[in-house]
Amino acid sequence: NAGVTQTPKFQVLKTGQSMTLQCAQDMNHEYMSWYRQDPGMGLRLIHYSVGAGITDQGEVPNGYNVSRSTTEDFPLRLLSAAPSQTSVYFCASSHGSSGANVLTFGAGSRLTVL
Amino acid sequence: DQQVKQNSPSLSVQEGRISILNCDYTNSMFDYFLWYKKYPAEGPTFLISISSIKDKNEDGRFTVFLNKSAKHLSLHIVPSQPGDSAVYFCAARDSNYQLIWGAGTKLIIKP
Repeated sequence: NAGVTQTPKFQVLKTGQSMTLQCAQDMNHEYMSWYRQDPGMGLRLIHYSVGAGITDQGEVPNGYNVSRSTTEDFPLRLLSAAPSQTSVYFCASSHGSSGANVLTFGAGSRLTVL
Repeated sequence: DQQVKQNSPSLSVQEGRISILNCDYTNSMFDYFLWYKKYPAEGPTFLISISSIKDKNEDGRFTVFLNKSAKHLSLHIVPSQPGDSAVYFCAARDSNYQLIWGAGTKLIIKP
């Protein structure tokens, strides 16, 4: 049982480049979300989805896009990378439509923007 | 302004003793609180939770206490074991049913 799988684990980008962080879950969870973790700060919610075709913004959505075409996948797109987007990104999923249910996290993707 | 604060970035405890991790919050509307544990190079994993209608919840070696008047919760680990060495995050549920997270406390259990 893979749980939540994130790829890539590490990525280095130049300012202005675009990329997609992939997230897939095999638990048939309705809720999926993306967080970023920065030093000295808690996890901050970027975007979330309560089901296929439904997405919404979290606390820090600027510079990121998401889509949810299937229950399993929830990719995060950086449109034009900036150094401020250097961070560790976590994808998480749970049953139900609440972000406060018990979340299952991926192992994280470390992104560096030069 | 952080709504959930974990004021101790790190804590060192002797193996076998009690570990107490603290968390303060500012929003009295938070009604559900969770603790997650994170090992290096892994995502956080759920540990224990408590509803605002309770003041204590226990699960094996882990107990969470909630003091609503003080807007304070704490996680007690008794006895502490080497495998408990990790970063512990406190999180609170807001009115949008999303979580607001603290910055984490790194717990080090000394043998």
